[in-house]
Amino acid sequence: DARVTQTPRHKVTEMGQEVTMRCQPILGHNTVFWYRQTMMQGLELLAYFRNRAPLDDSGMPKDRFSAEMPDATLATLKIQPSEPRDSAVYFCASGLLRASGYTFGSGTRLTVV
Amino acid sequence: DQQVKQNSPSLSVQEGRISILNCDYTNSMFDYFLWYKKYPAEGPTFLISISSIKDKNEDGRFTVFLNKSAKHLSLHIVPSQPGDSAVYFCAARVNYGGSQGNLIFGKGTKLSVKP
Repeated sequence: DARVTQTPRHKVTEMGQEVTMRCQPILGHNTVFWYRQTMMQGLELLAYFRNRAPLDDSGMPKDRFSAEMPDATLATLKIQPSEPRDSAVYFCASGLLRASGYTFGSGTRLTVV
Repeated sequence: DQQVKQNSPSLSVQEGRISILNCDYTNSMFDYFLWYKKYPAEGPTFLISISSIKDKNEDGRFTVFLNKSAKHLSLHIVPSQPGDSAVYFCAARVNYGGSQGNLIFGKGTKLSVKP
């Protein structure tokens, strides 16, 4: 059963520290998303890649967030410096544009204290 | 400004009865509408979808209805089972511009099916 793998599952860090979240998309999937889930905003898009090229990162605070796909098996989301308001669950999802659904990972629960 | 809205944060239904979850959207430039189910501490799981050119799609106990004139879709679960208790997200897939393929989500409806 193919899965999207996210690491770490949980992260607690102090304000001002750098946080890196990793995602291994399903092999063969050419579309990768980063979403953030909060109580107030629900699931909101942060970044979106197709064939490793960034397509839309308009939902991401550019001053502190960055997203990359160094190769087809790895997507990263970095926050530097982290702030308490970044506390949320971050999900990675992958899929093929022709499919109607995407597969989500289990998420990284980030707590910034 | 929310493009996809789920106005009911929660719904409680008796086992064996029908669950109806509703979703409204404001943008006509979506090509698919999807429902995802989410259990605590897990990622959302794709449940069922419908193309914008259809008005109904059925998969076992799950049926999605699309009313384009009202910009409204609904998910029917019949019969409801306790294992269906989860948060259900409605999503719309963007079909234009640089965001093509992106999913815009509603805030979810928590379904509780009581035995």
